Amino acid sequence: GENVEQHPSTLSVQEGDSAVIKCTYSDSASNYFPWYKQELGKGPQLIIDIRSNVGEKKDQRIAVTLNKTAKHFSLHITETQPEDSAVYFCAARSYSGGGADGLTFGKGTHLIIQP
Amino acid sequence: NAGVTQTPKFQVLKTGQSMTLQCAQDMNHNSMYWYRQDPGMGLRLIYYSASEGTTDKGEVPNGYNVSRLNKREFSLRLESAAPSQTSVYFCASSEALRGAGRRDEQYFGPGTRLTVT
Repeated sequence: GENVEQHPSTLSVQEGDSAVIKCTYSDSASNYFPWYKQELGKGPQLIIDIRSNVGEKKDQRIAVTLNKTAKHFSLHITETQPEDSAVYFCAARSYSGGGADGLTFGKGTHLIIQP
Repeated sequence: NAGVTQTPKFQVLKTGQSMTLQCAQDMNHNSMYWYRQDPGMGLRLIYYSASEGTTDKGEVPNGYNVSRLNKREFSLRLESAAPSQTSVYFCASSEALRGAGRRDEQYFGPGTRLTVT
């Protein structure tokens, strides 16, 4: 099955600086890679995703890059703000052909924005 | 739209007791999922339902059963709770159509925090 590794587990950056979180996956058949933000006491919220036929995707201050050859993908947050403080999860999904399939998650990165 | 709703929000059980976690979505999604989240472990898939009437095991199905009651509702049952099932449980749904125009995004509920003593 799929295995997703996520680094770092904790990331502290100064407000206004950029933050980068990296993930690797093991299954070359995986072709959908979402990123989720989870605030304390809440469910994960989808913030951006990328499919394997695309190398990069941006949405305002957030971007995701994908390197299929190396099997890794990264989340980039620019001009960080206090409200970006949260736990971020990467995930990957392989389509088995049998219908919908669940996601395999990384273990999460606690992002701390220092004022 | 309420999105994905889960009940209860909190639950404490004694070892051996049973209970059912309820999940409903109002987005007319085809697929629904149950995950558990443990500290330092991320989220792990327990069961999923690709469409009404079908269910499949995920990564950690032992000790659980599920029912896809209709398109809206997907319940998770613990028949004999064990302390190892202490966790936060999340339900999710996605449109997950086959072929072109597939909608992969999964939307999560607020979670049920379960403690088994």
